[in-house]
Amino acid sequence: AQSVAQPEDQVNVAEGNPLTVKCTYSVSGNPYLFWYVQYPNRGLQFLLKYITGDNLVKGSYGFEAEFNKSQTSFHLKKPSALVSDSALYFCAVRTDTGRRALTFGSGTRLQVQP
Amino acid sequence: DAGVTQSPTHLIKTRGQQVTLRCSPKSGHDTVSWYQQALGQGPQFIFQYYEEEERQRGNFPDRFSGHQFPNYSSELNVNALLLGDSALYLCASSLGYRGANEKLFFGSGTQLSVL
Repeated sequence: AQSVAQPEDQVNVAEGNPLTVKCTYSVSGNPYLFWYVQYPNRGLQFLLKYITGDNLVKGSYGFEAEFNKSQTSFHLKKPSALVSDSALYFCAVRTDTGRRALTFGSGTRLQVQP
Repeated sequence: DAGVTQSPTHLIKTRGQQVTLRCSPKSGHDTVSWYQQALGQGPQFIFQYYEEEERQRGNFPDRFSGHQFPNYSSELNVNALLLGDSALYLCASSLGYRGANEKLFFGSGTQLSVL
């Protein structure tokens, strides 16, 4: 079975400050990890993915994520937050064996204050 | 280039009724997946269609069924609706269902309310 945990329901950060949204996962086999963002009344939009290779992955809108195998984590980061980054962020995992569907976490609401 | 389109955007039904939701994938995509997103939760996988066949299925009862047409569009059918079926239903498309790193493109969803 595969699972994702996003331990924070909400993260508050001031504009211009760095942000981190946490994600830990559990899978059998090699993980493929994803971050998606959801704006109000919209579907999910892809931000970035880790399949293999460099542990630091760069994605859309200045976001990046670091894969840590020993800690089974894939935290989302951005050096300088914007008010427009305020949204709901989902971490997701799948593997290359067995069921290939994505398993999503429960989401973290990011609130960036001006 | 049209993205993933879903219809209708909102739907209100009563318990016991049946509902059909529709999805047109992004141009060039041949695989459609359906997810249920309950309020305050992450999306949960329902099933995936490729080449007009259901290829994978999540932990949903048989009341949930689907179909994919030759033009790759898809329908999600839910029979004998329950109050707990109230949720946002998301359709996602991708190219090829065996790829390990395919990026999913999501529609804006259909908000289903069961009264």
